[in-house]
Amino acid sequence: NAGVTQTPKFQVLKTGQSMTLQCAQDMNHNSMYWYRQDPGMGLRLIYYSASEGTTDKGEVPNGYNVSRLNKREFSLRLESAAPSQTSVYFCASRLSGGPIQYFGAGTRLSVL
Amino acid sequence: RKEVEQDPGPFNVPEGATVAFNCTYSNSASQSFFWYRQDCRKEPKLLMSVYSSGNEDGRFTAQLNRASQYISLLIRDSKLSDSATYLCVVNEGNQFYFGTGTSLTVIP
Repeated sequence: NAGVTQTPKFQVLKTGQSMTLQCAQDMNHNSMYWYRQDPGMGLRLIYYSASEGTTDKGEVPNGYNVSRLNKREFSLRLESAAPSQTSVYFCASRLSGGPIQYFGAGTRLSVL
Repeated sequence: RKEVEQDPGPFNVPEGATVAFNCTYSNSASQSFFWYRQDCRKEPKLLMSVYSSGNEDGRFTAQLNRASQYISLLIRDSKLSDSATYLCVVNEGNQFYFGTGTSLTVIP
């Protein structure tokens, strides 16, 4: 049972570089989420997708774009990375209306 | 104002102690409430949901007070394995709001 799989696990970028964080879930969940976690800030929602074909901004969407490629996959793109985007990124999924979010193992991103 | 506020701790308690964590939330229309556990450098995982009637899971008891917009978690007979960060989480529609977490270390 893979659950929620995120790739890569670690990444170092230079300022201005772009990259895409991948997330896939095999639980047939409708809703998927991208969060970032910074020390002292807790998890903050970047974007979410309530169902295939829809995406919505969360609390901190600036500097990011997302794609809900299909029901399984939800990617997060940094077009021009900045040091302020150094963080741990978590993808999560849940069944629509269900109470529980299931998280991936996270991607640790450093932007130099 | 933050949606969810928690005392960050840290709480350092001896094995066998009882420890309580508190959390407040700002939106009275919030629908569902949870405690998640996060181990160091790991992803958050659901510990338990929280209901107004109170609910218990072994050594863990959670309580919700909607009038005061207050959520609590009580851990009895603390074990070394309880050392982690405990996140208070509130659900509003499609969105979840996380507290910053309360750090617990159980000392032998």
